[in-house]
Amino acid sequence: EVQLVESGGGLIQPGGSLRLSCAASGITVSSNYMNWVRQAPGKGLEWVSSIYSGGSTYYADSVKGRFTISRDNSKNTLYLQMNSLRAEDTAVYYCARDLGAGHYFDCWGQGTPVTVSS
Amino acid sequence: DIQMTQSPSTLSASVGDRVTITCRASQYISSWLAWYQQKPGKAPKLLIYKASSLESGVPSRFSGSGSGTEFTLTISSLQPDDFATYYCQHYNSYPLTFGGGTRVEIK
Repeated sequence: EVQLVESGGGLIQPGGSLRLSCAASGITVSSNYMNWVRQAPGKGLEWVSSIYSGGSTYYADSVKGRFTISRDNSKNTLYLQMNSLRAEDTAVYYCARDLGAGHYFDCWGQGTPVTVSS
Repeated sequence: DIQMTQSPSTLSASVGDRVTITCRASQYISSWLAWYQQKPGKAPKLLIYKASSLESGVPSRFSGSGSGTEFTLTISSLQPDDFATYYCQHYNSYPLTFGGGTRVEIK
């Protein structure tokens, strides 16, 4: 059974940094296309970033230059390094897997909340 | 960027009703469209991919259709477990984008 477990969220001041983790079991992170999707309170879903099995990365314009997606193959874990955080980054952050045949998300974690506020 | 527009934003229906949700893309996306169901406080769940392919384990009362720029999600007979918010998502190109969501509530 595939399981994705996010952690690392919390309350952070504007301009601060936070690193989210997504520990995977039942799949090998490095062999899959992995993603971060967020959802602001009471709002819809927003794709944030993707990392391909080959290492290519993609970002939404709203986070480009501030967020970095990466993975640690030895820990089978996906990361999202978030710098220069803004109030509008406040959201629940989900990690999700796509199979690469098409970039839709068949497995999701439970999400980790991030609140950017002073 | 491709914009995805869902309608209606809210839908009131009764158990047993046939429900249809529409999703329109701002440009041609072939059949590169997925549908998700989300319940409060939970992660989204994949229902449909490639516009009309049913994800394994999803009840057959859910179906998807369309191609190009106009798509529909149909629930043939609404069940109590189906009251939730539904999102479409295109995957024709980056950035991937979602529709604004359709909340299906009890009439």
